[in-house]
Amino acid sequence: AQSVSQHNHHVILSEAASLELGCNYSYGGTVNLFWYVQYPGQHLQLLLKYFSGDPLVKGIKGFEAEFIKSKFSFNLRKPSVQWSDTAEYFCAASSNTGKLIFGQGTTLQVKP
Amino acid sequence: DGGITQSPKYLFRKEGQNVTLSCEQNLNHDAMYWYRQDPGQGLRLIYYSQIVNDFQKGDIAEGYSVSREKKESFPLTVTSAQKNPTAFYLCATSLGANVYGYTFGSGTRLTVV
Repeated sequence: AQSVSQHNHHVILSEAASLELGCNYSYGGTVNLFWYVQYPGQHLQLLLKYFSGDPLVKGIKGFEAEFIKSKFSFNLRKPSVQWSDTAEYFCAASSNTGKLIFGQGTTLQVKP
Repeated sequence: DGGITQSPKYLFRKEGQNVTLSCEQNLNHDAMYWYRQDPGQGLRLIYYSQIVNDFQKGDIAEGYSVSREKKESFPLTVTSAQKNPTAFYLCATSLGANVYGYTFGSGTRLTVV
């Protein structure tokens, strides 16, 4: 069955610390991968996406993610977090024509 | 100003009542989706529609119904058969095949009292 799994449910960091959020997927065939962010009281927003090509993708606000096919992973990274990065982060996956399946979400709390 | 409008933002329902959540879009997107968001469970797909007059069940369709009579509109009815309806409901759209990601509405928080 298709699934997406996020390892960390709640992460607490101090400002300027580096961030890595884990995401693993289980999909047959071609897969598209996404990271979404939901800031408190706001819409879900797309941070970045991977379809093909360079496995290192850069998104908005300094975030990046690396697609490692052999590990079925698509981890999200940011070298130095800010208090404004406090939010919930969702990894998601789909085939080209299929529906988007989400992970459980990771709540990130950045302490000033 | 293109986007997705979900209404109402907050909704209270008595047990045993059906309630309909509205989702309207002016993005001209073909596909529309309903997700339910619960703490620690991420977003789970309830129903989706890729074209007008057609829709498919998602992973947790029991106790819900939808219609897609117009491209712009995809209302979700939470019926009395849904055992645990209190949740945050998100509507999303996408432009045909899902290679661009989804656009999300602002959500409706449903509380059963």
